[in-house]
Amino acid sequence: EVQLVESGGGLVQPGRSLRLSCAASGFTFDEYAIHWVRQGPGKGLEWVGGVSWNSGITGYADSVKGRFTISRDNARNSLFLQMNSLRAADTAFYFCAKENKAFCSSISCSPFDSWGQGTLVTVSS
Amino acid sequence: QLVLTQSPSASASPGASVKLTCTLSSGHSSYAIAWHQQQPQKGPRYLMTLNSDGSHTKGDGIPDRFSGSSSGAERYLTISSLQSEDEADYYCQTWGTGIQTFGGGTKLTVL
Repeated sequence: EVQLVESGGGLVQPGRSLRLSCAASGFTFDEYAIHWVRQGPGKGLEWVGGVSWNSGITGYADSVKGRFTISRDNARNSLFLQMNSLRAADTAFYFCAKENKAFCSSISCSPFDSWGQGTLVTVSS
Repeated sequence: QLVLTQSPSASASPGASVKLTCTLSSGHSSYAIAWHQQQPQKGPRYLMTLNSDGSHTKGDGIPDRFSGSSSGAERYLTISSLQSEDEADYYCQTWGTGIQTFGGGTKLTVL
């Protein structure tokens, strides 16, 4: 069974940094692109960004470009989201999600077929 | 620009059927989409991938009550024999040109 478990959320002041992790199991992690998706209070799903299976390609939404960095450690079956210069608008649940197709040469080959339960990030003074 | 449009809300009675719509932006009518369900206080759950010709592939364990169809730029999710646990938000997703995109979601109420 595919499992994605996010961690690292919490309360952080505006302008500070936070690092989220996503631990994966139940599939061959190093074959699939993995993404971060967030959901603000009472809002819909917003794609944050993703990383290809071999870390060769990363991509980000305009709303986080230059502030957030996605990385992965295939040896530890883990995905990370480094969030810098946090703003109140970044307050959200953050989910990691796995793409459906293996060994894609981009981060937009296929839809997401597995999701984590999310971790809450609150940016407030 | 790749945009997905969904109606904000829908409602139906237990045992009835409901058809939710996701509309692709102009110039993108050939794109496939995926449907996801998000029950209250839970992470999203993948339902199916739906192609422009109406063929679809469902996720593991998704009941036969969930089906998909397509017409032009519109992609549909039909849920038959509605149950209380179908009350949830439903999102469509598409992908391409280096990005992933979600529709705004439809909140389904089972009255």
